[in-house]
Amino acid sequence: GAVVSQHPSWVICKSGTSVKIECRSLDFQATTMFWYRQFPKQSLMLMATSNEGSKATYEQGVEKDKFLINHASLTLSTLTVTSAHPEDSSFYICSARDRGRNYGYTFGSGTRLTVV
Amino acid sequence: AQSVTQPDIHITVSEGASLELRCNYSYGATPYLFWYVQSPGQGLQLLLKYFSGDTLVQGIKGFEAEFKRSQSSFNLRKPSVHWSDAAEYFCAGGWDYGGSQGNLIFGKGTKLSVKP
Repeated sequence: GAVVSQHPSWVICKSGTSVKIECRSLDFQATTMFWYRQFPKQSLMLMATSNEGSKATYEQGVEKDKFLINHASLTLSTLTVTSAHPEDSSFYICSARDRGRNYGYTFGSGTRLTVV
Repeated sequence: AQSVTQPDIHITVSEGASLELRCNYSYGATPYLFWYVQSPGQGLQLLLKYFSGDTLVQGIKGFEAEFKRSQSSFNLRKPSVHWSDAAEYFCAGGWDYGGSQGNLIFGKGTKLSVKP
């Protein structure tokens, strides 16, 4: 079945530094990838949608200069949290849509980011 | 605007008892619908999905869901719950935009606890 690999699974960084999270589709081509943020005991909130080879579309209220998204290939998208602050601490999950399957959304295992 | 509602925040059932988790959607067009399960600190695992055809959908781990257009519902059921089913369950819906499949919109989730 379709597999999405997300790394790292957890990361601790100092305030003011940047962190990159990778999302790879291992056995399918993902024309579109989605990045979600999940606060404790809450649902997933869409941050942005990225299409391969084009700029990401950010949801209202999400700072595009803080959360940089790159989707340079059909199998890789990255989310970089720049100048991280403690309020950026959260669980980040990516999802990739398999263009070869109808309604085929596969989620990564998530990244727990803690900014100290 | 599209929305997905899970009316129950927390449900507790006894092991071996039946389970039904509720999900409703709102918007004119019929969405494609999903149920995911999430264990603490983990990503999302797809239980089942509906996008057309038979309104009773079978999923993994003994789960099933029934799409009822008249009630705008897609409730998840399991005849006999196991202790390992304790987790957070998310219902999600997606809508086509001019032939393109958009992002998923998630309900707030239902936490399932299982009593021995």
